Amino acid sequence: QSALTQPASVSGSPGQSITISCTGSTSDVGGYKYVSWYQQHPGKAPKLIIFEVNNRPSGISDRFYGSKSGNTASLTISGLQAEDEADYYCNSYTNSRTGVFGSGTKVTVL
Amino acid sequence: EVQLVESGGGLVQPGGSLRLSCAASGFTFNMHWMHWVRQVPGKGLVWVSRINEVGSDMMYADFAKGRFTISRDNAKNTLYLQMNSLRDEDTAVYYCSRDLGLWKLIDWGQGIPVTVSS
Repeated sequence: QSALTQPASVSGSPGQSITISCTGSTSDVGGYKYVSWYQQHPGKAPKLIIFEVNNRPSGISDRFYGSKSGNTASLTISGLQAEDEADYYCNSYTNSRTGVFGSGTKVTVL
Repeated sequence: EVQLVESGGGLVQPGGSLRLSCAASGFTFNMHWMHWVRQVPGKGLVWVSRINEVGSDMMYADFAKGRFTISRDNAKNTLYLQMNSLRDEDTAVYYCSRDLGLWKLIDWGQGIPVTVSS
């Protein structure tokens, strides 16, 4: 159950778009639609921002967009804002009936 | 308002045991899967375990198998994590989380620190 692979850091200027990748295998990301994304600000609990690849919970901005191609899921944040500076984690259901998180990506707003 | 409040953390020696609790309110507890997730300070989230609505089906991360036991008391709206044979590497903040269905961890507690050290 190794962590899914995410870039350690991604940065962008206000108003720009950035994309965070999350790479797994056919046993997790590639095999199921149960891929979710979580945002975590320092000292806070994680917050669900995307579920089932490309769905947003109520109250989550449509600037957050999820997608998947093969074994790689992606989170795109458009119109980057200062408040988006946080850590982001993907999560996937696996063929072992367990869950696995990504290694995490620190987003910096320049 | 949904509230998840963890308790039971603290300092324990290697090889020792600890039982975490998560008191739930603001939703119908017995209708939701529940999860435990942990995070070493400064590091990433790690999924630990989950339990179904009635407590009959539990799954664990490999590192937790045989040492950790997840359980729930639906009459008390409380989730538990019994941790035995604790190791230094179990030191982390432990979060409980409500699953809205199909691995949507929609609500989280504030987290409870566990430190395993001699």
